[in-house]
Order: sequence, then C-alpha cells, then structure tokens
Amino acid sequence: QVQLKQSDSGLVKPSQTLSLTCTVSGDSMNSGSYYWSWIRQPAGKGLEWIGRIFTSGSTNYNPSLKSRVTISVDTSKNQFSLKLSSVTAADTAVYYCAREVRGYGSGTYVDYWGQGTLVTVSS
Amino acid sequence: DIVMTQSPDSLAVSLGERATIKCKSSQSVLYSSNNENYLAWYQQKAGQPPKLLIYWASTRESGVPDRFSGSGSGTDFTLTISSLQAEDVAVYYCQQYFGIPPTFGQGTRLEIK
Repeated sequence: QVQLKQSDSGLVKPSQTLSLTCTVSGDSMNSGSYYWSWIRQPAGKGLEWIGRIFTSGSTNYNPSLKSRVTISVDTSKNQFSLKLSSVTAADTAVYYCAREVRGYGSGTYVDYWGQGTLVTVSS
Repeated sequence: DIVMTQSPDSLAVSLGERATIKCKSSQSVLYSSNNENYLAWYQQKAGQPPKLLIYWASTRESGVPDRFSGSGSGTDFTLTISSLQAEDVAVYYCQQYFGIPPTFGQGTRLEIK
C-alpha cells in the first residue's frame, strides 16, 4: 500500500522560506510511472497545483508561483521536497504532497495524497 | 490557465436519489491524438485529502462504488451519483490535466436533504 507521509505543520514568518518534505513508502519512486507533486488548499477554499517533479529531476511549476518555488527529489531516501520563498499571509494553506500518474508522457491525475500539512504564515 | 467551472456550488439531495454535478472547462480538454479527455473527479470529506473517483473523464478508480459515474467530452462533463448514500456527503472537485498548470473547479458541496 503506497503511503505519502508529510513533515509536520509549522509556522513560517513573512518573507521567509517554507520547507516541506514528503516520504514515500510502499513503492519505489524510481518506477518511472509517476510524477511527484505539491498541491495546496487555503482554509475553506479550493485546490491549487504548485508543481511536480519526475525522478529524472525534470520539473514543471505553476507559472503563478514559479519564481518562488523549488521542488527537489532524493530517490535514495524515497523523498521529495518543496521550498517556497518570500512567503506572505496568502501562502497560508494546507499543503499536500501527491503522486500523479504518468500517462501519455505527461503528468495526469493524482491517485495518492499525503495527509496534508497546515502551514501558517505569520509574524 | 484553463478555467474549470462547476455547477451548482452546493447541492442537497435525498438519500437514494440521483445527484448530478456539472463541470465546464474554458477550452477543450480532449486530446485529439489519443482521443482522451484529460479530466478527473475527486471527493473530499471534511478534514481529509481528496480521493480520486474518476479519471480520463469516465474511468472509475479501483474500489470506487459503481454508483459513481463520469461522462462528457470536450468542455462539458458530469459526475453522477446514481443513488446517494450518507457517506457521499463531501465536496466534489473536477480537475483538468490537459494543460500546465493542472487546474481544479471551485468545488461542489453535496449534502443530504
């Protein structure tokens, strides 16, 4: 059974960098069949896709966040990570790591989600 | 970005009755090369991450009850729950994965009447 376990919730000060890690168990990240993604959801609101990484290191980012986002992968630890710089209150949300199925050579739908991590941006 | 618009925003249906949720995309998500609609549906219960129900517009995920079905093509899609059960109370989202970034609808809240 595939599980995605996220690092704990936290408080980040405005202008600082948010950092989250997702550990994958139950499957190797190197299968080549999946992308590894981050998606966020402000309280009471909808879902926003942040970006994805393939195990080759290839990334895609949401253009609205691209200048502030870095997603990286460490396949030796079966982990991938998110860094979001220069955060503001608007970045307060539950952040989900997720597995996207690779289909027809690109990312598609999410079949597994992490449990979610609440990140609050406040001084 | 492709804008996904769901209707209605909220819906109350009696137990055992049919629930229908619509999703419209601002441009077609049908890829002509493989004739696939790049559209998924998710269910999100309170305090939980979303759960995949339907992908490629009409393929039910393994383990999802057959009362859930997806239909549509191009820009107009429908999620149907044929006989509403109490455990179906949730927010439902459609998502397109045709373009980057993938985008979600605003969600439809489904309640029991």
